[in-house]
Amino acid sequence: LAKITQPISMDSYEGQEVNITCSHNNIATNDYITWYQQFPSQGPRFIIQGYKTKVTNEVASLFIPADRKSSTLSLPRVSLSDTAVYYCLVGGPNTDKLIFGTGTRLQVFP
Amino acid sequence: DAGITQSPRYKITETGRQVTLMCHQTWSHSYMFWYRQDLGHGLRLIYYSAAADITDKGEVPDGYVVSRSKTENFPLTLESATRSQTSVYFCASSELGGGVYEQYFGPGTRLTVT
Repeated sequence: LAKITQPISMDSYEGQEVNITCSHNNIATNDYITWYQQFPSQGPRFIIQGYKTKVTNEVASLFIPADRKSSTLSLPRVSLSDTAVYYCLVGGPNTDKLIFGTGTRLQVFP
Repeated sequence: DAGITQSPRYKITETGRQVTLMCHQTWSHSYMFWYRQDLGHGLRLIYYSAAADITDKGEVPDGYVVSRSKTENFPLTLESATRSQTSVYFCASSELGGGVYEQYFGPGTRLTVT
C-alpha cells in the first residue's frame, strides 16, 4: 500500500493560522481525502473531507491542488484546545485500501 | 447513550495468551473497523466488517481474528498474543465503507503484551 506522509510535528501560537500538509503521490481517481483530529486518550474525530479544490466548514479548510498529490489542512486562528494530533486519510470505495497518514502533532503555545 | 464503546480500556497480558477486545456501537452502522495505532505508523487497518457475518482483512490482519454475529458488536481476538501486538487498538463504525464516509471512533484499548 502507498505511504501517506505528514510532518511529524508543528508548533504554533494562539491566534495564528496553521497549515498541515499531507503527501499522497499515489492517490487514486476515486479516492477522497479526510482529516481527523485526535486528543490524548481519545479516538480520532472527523474534521473535514474533500475531493478536489477547496472545502471549508466551521472549523477548518481543506485545499487540494489539481493534481491531488497533496492536500493542506488549514486551521484559522488556532487556540490551545487545538493542540492535538492530526491525521489525513486517503481512500475511496474500497475499504481494504484505506490508508492513514503518519500523523502530525500540533502544539499550540499561549 | 448512543455511541461506540470499547472494553477493556486497558489490558495487560502475557505472551501466548488469548485476549479479546470488545467493541459495541449503538448507531446500527453497517461498517465496523479495527485499527491499531503505533508510533511512527499512525493508524493501520486490521480487519473490517460490512455487515453481520461479513468480515475482510485490512492492511495488517496476521495474528488477529474477528467475528460479527450481531450488527452492533465486533470483537477482536488475539489468539496467541505476541509482544509486537502491544499497541493501542481503536474500533470505529460508519454508515458505509471506504474512505468516503465519516468514521466514528471508540476511545481505544491500550494493550500491553509482556
